[in-house]
Amino acid sequence: DVKVTQSSRYLVKRTGEKVFLECVQDMDHENMFWYRQDPGLGLRLIYFSYDVKMKEKGDIPEGYSVSREKKERFSLILESASTNQTSMYLCASQKSGTTYNEQFFGPGTRLTVL
Amino acid sequence: QKEVEQDPGPLSVPEGAIVSLNCTYSNSAFQYFMWYRQYSRKGPELLMYTYSSGNKEDGRFTAQVDKSSKYISLFIRDSQPSDSATYLCAPRNFNKFYFGSGTKLNVKP
Repeated sequence: DVKVTQSSRYLVKRTGEKVFLECVQDMDHENMFWYRQDPGLGLRLIYFSYDVKMKEKGDIPEGYSVSREKKERFSLILESASTNQTSMYLCASQKSGTTYNEQFFGPGTRLTVL
Repeated sequence: QKEVEQDPGPLSVPEGAIVSLNCTYSNSAFQYFMWYRQYSRKGPELLMYTYSSGNKEDGRFTAQVDKSSKYISLFIRDSQPSDSATYLCAPRNFNKFYFGSGTKLNVKP
């Protein structure tokens, strides 16, 4: 069974703080993704990575950065948290190189920025 | 225009009803069409997928794609309270998924 874990289920931070969200997968998947999920807007892609030390911007990268130093771990960084970054953050992993490749999601981190 | 539009719901039906969930999309390059189910306070999980146009059945669930009209449907027969969740359609182009905003379904006992 693929398992994607996220470091926190709930997080409360103050405006201006630097925030780290961690994601770990245990199935040796090449691809990893960070999304945010907001009511009425669905899942929006922030960043993704196809390999260690590689990253690509998604649809809404502003205010975020990522780090992928090891294959199993993909971190999302909010350099200076703002209230409009209050959201549910979902990490996903995916095996590459196959015709059909499902994305497996973690349980999510609900971040509140005060 | 959004890549994928999904009826927002919420949808409330009695147990045993047939449920129809729908999405439209704009990109004719989409080849795989996924449906994810998300229970409250959980991440989405893949329910089923279809490739190109046509129908695919899995138990009480049927996924249907009409590429000519760019329309995606998920039908649930004999709906159960355990089907209460948010359903997200997600057409795919290469490794990128384009998620709909989700339809929240409540099946009342």
